Amino acid sequence: EAQVTQNPRYLITVTGKKLTVTCSQNMNHEYMSWYRQDPGLGLRQIYYSMNVEVTDKGDVPEGYKVSRKEKRNFPLILESPSPNQTSLYFCASSTSGASYEQYFGPGTRLTVT
Amino acid sequence: AQTVTQSQPEMSVQEAETVTLSCTYDTSESDYYLFWYKQPPSRQMILVIRQEAYKQQNATENRFSVNFQKAAKSFSLKISDSQLGDAAMYFCAYTPPSNQFYFGTGTSLTVIP
Repeated sequence: EAQVTQNPRYLITVTGKKLTVTCSQNMNHEYMSWYRQDPGLGLRQIYYSMNVEVTDKGDVPEGYKVSRKEKRNFPLILESPSPNQTSLYFCASSTSGASYEQYFGPGTRLTVT
Repeated sequence: AQTVTQSQPEMSVQEAETVTLSCTYDTSESDYYLFWYKQPPSRQMILVIRQEAYKQQNATENRFSVNFQKAAKSFSLKISDSQLGDAAMYFCAYTPPSNQFYFGTGTSLTVIP
């Protein structure tokens, strides 16, 4: 089944404890992206990647890191999480750019205390 | 500055009736893409419709159609014959040639039986 998977689905952590949210797609997509969703703000793009080893900042990259060492994986790293990073995070992928349909993962609910 | 604006946080429609969700966007690009995504209570993001800016013809997908006014930078979504399963949060979105992706803040649609 073609899909985007994210792990973990739910995470509660403490301020400053490094964490990684994994994202993997099995559709051989070139484009991958991370978003955060907050009430009243919609979804905002954190980082995106057009291909392996190519990443670019989205609208809200501060406090996040990404890497794209393999085509299928695009992990999101929070090196020192803070409470304002409590949010719902979505990973997405598309064939070859944001102009195509993006397929979204199920979301990761992160709480930082 | 907000790139994509949805001025209706909440809308409601009677089952089988028609409803229009509004969206405006800001851009200096001539070539770009516009989207409507749906997010039901399951939180899964689903593409509803996609519009290429250089195409004059309004996109349609079954009961969903758009009114794309390029000069006015307006991109409204019309849902005809509304069904209970249409109840969801609807997000308007825009992507320029840079492949960044911008969502609006969303419109929550309630369908009344």
